[in-house]
Amino acid sequence: KAGVTQTPRYLIKTRGQQVTLSCSPISGHRSVSWYQQTPGQGLQFLFEYFSETQRNKGNFPGRFSGRQFSNSRSEMNVSTLELGDSALYLCASSSEPLPATQYFGPGTRLTVL
Amino acid sequence: GESVGLHLPTLSVQEGDNSIINCAYSNSASDYFIWYKQESGKGPQFIIDIRSNMDKRQGQRVTVLLNKTVKHLSLQIAATQPGDSAVYFCADTGGSNYKLTFGKGTLLTVNP
Repeated sequence: KAGVTQTPRYLIKTRGQQVTLSCSPISGHRSVSWYQQTPGQGLQFLFEYFSETQRNKGNFPGRFSGRQFSNSRSEMNVSTLELGDSALYLCASSSEPLPATQYFGPGTRLTVL
Repeated sequence: GESVGLHLPTLSVQEGDNSIINCAYSNSASDYFIWYKQESGKGPQFIIDIRSNMDKRQGQRVTVLLNKTVKHLSLQIAATQPGDSAVYFCADTGGSNYKLTFGKGTLLTVNP
């Protein structure tokens, strides 16, 4: 079975721009969660989607949003980028909604200049 | 807010030794705990999980121990190998069924 895939793997943007990241979960998995990973804050939960519905959201501003499609693929959008948004964005999928074993993708490295 | 913390940020062991990575959690309502391993340039990889109705669970070369009395979680790796070198994270539900809270991580270095 193919693992979780994320595109693009690397991205460079400038302040004020917006960005969309994509995640394809493991086949059959209906739950997709997004995390932000930085050296200072570690792994922080952004949100989880299950069957196209957002179940919960972490403590991030409204500039961070997401959605899930009927095929379980998910996208995350960050608007009005700030320097502090530079991070590794990880997507994880599971067959059941949280709490459940999550399988992570390789991440998208976002650099904001 | 509630968070999962780690006692030591780094751990260095000799190849073949057993490793023990510790984790403290603060929310007594946490009922599900997971250990992940993250190698450089990769996403976290699931190692083992445990629910609060258990105090020990074993996998291949790994054992997770849960002490709910002192809110402490540990990961034991038997016969540590160079390929075990990575950052190890513990995570828990923090009393919420809808998200996982991760610790900062422990860097394990295995010396040949």
